[in-house]
Amino acid sequence: ETGVTQSPTHLIKTRGQQVTLRCSSQSGHNTVSWYQQALGQGPQFIFQYYREEENGRGNFPPRFSGLQFPNYSSELNVNALELDDSALYLCASSLRGLGTGELFFGEGSRLTVL
Amino acid sequence: QKEVEQNSGPLSVPEGAIASLNCTYSDRVSQSFFWYRQYSGKSPELIMSIYSNGDKEDGRFTAQLNKASQYVSLLIRDSQPSDSATYLCAVIRAVDSNYQLIWGAGTKLIIKP
Repeated sequence: ETGVTQSPTHLIKTRGQQVTLRCSSQSGHNTVSWYQQALGQGPQFIFQYYREEENGRGNFPPRFSGLQFPNYSSELNVNALELDDSALYLCASSLRGLGTGELFFGEGSRLTVL
Repeated sequence: QKEVEQNSGPLSVPEGAIASLNCTYSDRVSQSFFWYRQYSGKSPELIMSIYSNGDKEDGRFTAQLNKASQYVSLLIRDSQPSDSATYLCAVIRAVDSNYQLIWGAGTKLIIKP
């Protein structure tokens, strides 16, 4: 167990809808990063939050947005869902940011867009 | 060319043998390299990190880094069926003052009893 929890674990949405995924980081970890993992692919970096501010973003459109709260938990929001958004969304927390590469992942939220 | 490339496999290795997993990367300035293991339906877990050229050993695992040739490898000695998983190579990329973790697609390893 990594101490990182994500919810919901599975969800089904239809194209055009909006979704919010949640993540509680490991105690004491002030950095949260989010990844999209399509079937058979490696994770793709979406963005990172450090002390409530976004401080790194991958090649994802603005309809992917996020928040980090004072307790370091985080949300990923995706608007105007597209079929290609179907994937496993992983949240990872770390103590010292991505520079160490030492990430602790939650079990993920599997999103299906119909 | 992908930034981080791995052979997708599957790589089939007999139990007790050495499994060798390879990864190449394109960004010459990358300094930090990681191997994660991902069991089917589970999230990735870090097994090795390496920052300097040469070998780094941790139990049955050895990571090897060659920055001149831009490759990093993972050796698993005395392979066990429980080692069957997808192994993901990840590389830190610096963007301005921030970092991104860039991942390969993973190599599926099957250890045959």
